Amino acid sequence: DAKTTQPTSMDCAEGRAANLPCNHSTISGNEYVYWYRQIHSQGPQYIIHGLKNNETNEMASLIITEDRKSSTLILPHATLRDTAVYYCIVSDAGGTSYGKLTFGQGTILTVHP
Amino acid sequence: DTGVSQDPRHKITKRGQNVTFRCDPISEHNRLYWYRQTLGQGPEFLTYFQNEAQLEKSRLLSDRFSAERPKGSFSTLEIQRTEQGDSAMYLCASSRDRESFGAGSRLTVL
Repeated sequence: DAKTTQPTSMDCAEGRAANLPCNHSTISGNEYVYWYRQIHSQGPQYIIHGLKNNETNEMASLIITEDRKSSTLILPHATLRDTAVYYCIVSDAGGTSYGKLTFGQGTILTVHP
Repeated sequence: DTGVSQDPRHKITKRGQNVTFRCDPISEHNRLYWYRQTLGQGPEFLTYFQNEAQLEKSRLLSDRFSAERPKGSFSTLEIQRTEQGDSAMYLCASSRDRESFGAGSRLTVL
């Protein structure tokens, strides 16, 4: 599986946009970019995923660069409940790796009042 | 969609005892995964089922670990002769197109 690189930690003020970067320079053509987050003592929660195009849902937006070597997760209006560890993962969604997820260390996002 | 259910949520056991965790996936999800997460680390893949077939096992899954998914519905993860190093959160996920995780089963081996 391709590996990802994320900053260890980030801070954000409540109500502001949180922009979480991720590098995945060795991503393969059939691999998607997934974002999950994990709030303390809970299981990871799916946020969003994409292949090439930018994606938006009710939780966040995902911006993928044209060369697909990096992406940014955007939480448009961060709240205190968005404080969590955010994982950027690349996976082939059920191909040769059976869709299993390879988690890195993630980014600890702390949202401040 | 009632979510992925895991039981028990917490288990404390003495070294050398056997423990079993159960996972009930989301209905009609044919893929099921087990992960292990230790403190401060991201989850690590243990094993994968497609329906009742166990198609992949990580080298983390020593011979003391066994997982089953009879009838392709719920799954169990058994750890025999537990060791203190087995203390971790054991997470189950099911998928049709993207993985949904349960809340996990936290194991403490004394």
